[in-house]
Formats: sequence, structure tokens, C-alpha cells
Amino acid sequence: DAKTTQPTSMDCAEGRAANLPCNHSTISGNEYVYWYRQIHSQGPQYIIHGLKNNETNEMASLIITEDRKSSTLILPHATLRDTAVYYCIVRGGSARQLTFGSGTQLTVLP
Amino acid sequence: GAGVSQSPSNKVTEKGKDVELRCDPISGHTALYWYRQSLGQGLEFLIYFQGNSAPDKSGLPSDRFSAERTGGSVSTLTIQRTQQEDSAVYLCASSLDVGARGGYTFGSGTRLTVV
Repeated sequence: DAKTTQPTSMDCAEGRAANLPCNHSTISGNEYVYWYRQIHSQGPQYIIHGLKNNETNEMASLIITEDRKSSTLILPHATLRDTAVYYCIVRGGSARQLTFGSGTQLTVLP
Repeated sequence: GAGVSQSPSNKVTEKGKDVELRCDPISGHTALYWYRQSLGQGLEFLIYFQGNSAPDKSGLPSDRFSAERTGGSVSTLTIQRTQQEDSAVYLCASSLDVGARGGYTFGSGTRLTVV
């Protein structure tokens, strides 16, 4: 699976949009981009995934660049409960498990 | 059940003892995964099961670790002769199948402390 690069940490003001970047410049055509988050002392939580089109669900939006070499997870109105480590993962169709990197520690500030 | 259930939530054991960790996946999920997370570290893949296929044990760190899944449902991760470096949170996840495009659902984990 392609490797991803994320900033180690980010801050966001409560009520503002949180934009979390992810670089996956070696992604191949059949690999999906997944986002998970892990709130302290809990198991990871699935957020969203996409292949090449932008995706939106009740939790977040995923914007994937046209060349698919990077993506951005958008939390439109961050709350204090969104403080967590956010993992960007690239996974191919034949992959049998998700490989987690170091993720981005997002801190939402009051 | 509604989610992935793991037990116990916390386990303290003496070095050298064996421990068993249990995972109840979501009903109908054929794929089941074990990960561990040491303090301040990322998630480390251990093993996965898919239906009746042979499990992928490629992530198990030593032969002291083993896992089984009975009847395609409940799974047990066993650590023999525990060592202090085995202290971690052990997380179980399940999904509809290994190639599922949707995400995994994780349990809350078992925090293992070896003293």
C-alpha cells in the first residue's frame, strides 16, 4: 500500500472548519483513501473513504485532488469532541488489513 | 450486538503468566482483525481472519502469541509467558469482509499490563 504523510499536529478553533491534509504521492489507481480517528482511550473510528471523487457524509467531507496525490479531510464545524488523532490510510483492493501511520493530533480549542 | 465487544477491558498479569483476550465481532461480519497499540505508539497489525480461510498471522510478534476464531464469530487472542513489553492496548475490529470498501468497526480494546 502507498505511504501517507500527515502533519504531526494541528490546532483548530471551536466552530471553525478543520482541514486535515494528507499526502499520498505514490498512490496507485486501485487504492482508496480512508480516514479514521482515535479519540483518547478509545478504539479508532471510521470516518470516510474515497477513490477519486469527493465524498461527504454526516461526519466529514473528503476532497481528493485530481491527480490523487493528496487529499484533505474537512470537519465543517469542529467541536471539542473532535479532538483526536486522525489517520489517513491508503489501501488497495487486494490489501488484507489497514496499515496505520502516526496520524495528525488535532486539538480543537475553545 | 450493536458493536464490537472486547473483554476484559483491563487486565493486569504477572510476568510469565498466560492471558486470553476475547473479541465478539459484529454479527454477520466475516472479517476480524487484531491490532495492538503500545503507549504513545501507532496501531500494529497482528492477525486477521476471513471466513473459513487460513488466518494471516504475519503480524504476530513471536510464537508466544496465537489467536483462534471459533465458529466464524468469537475470537480469542492468547499470549503465553507474558513479558513486560507485551503491555499495550489490544484492539479488535471487524468488517463485512476483508475486501469491504466500508470501514472497520473497532472495539474499545483490552488494556494489558504485565507487572
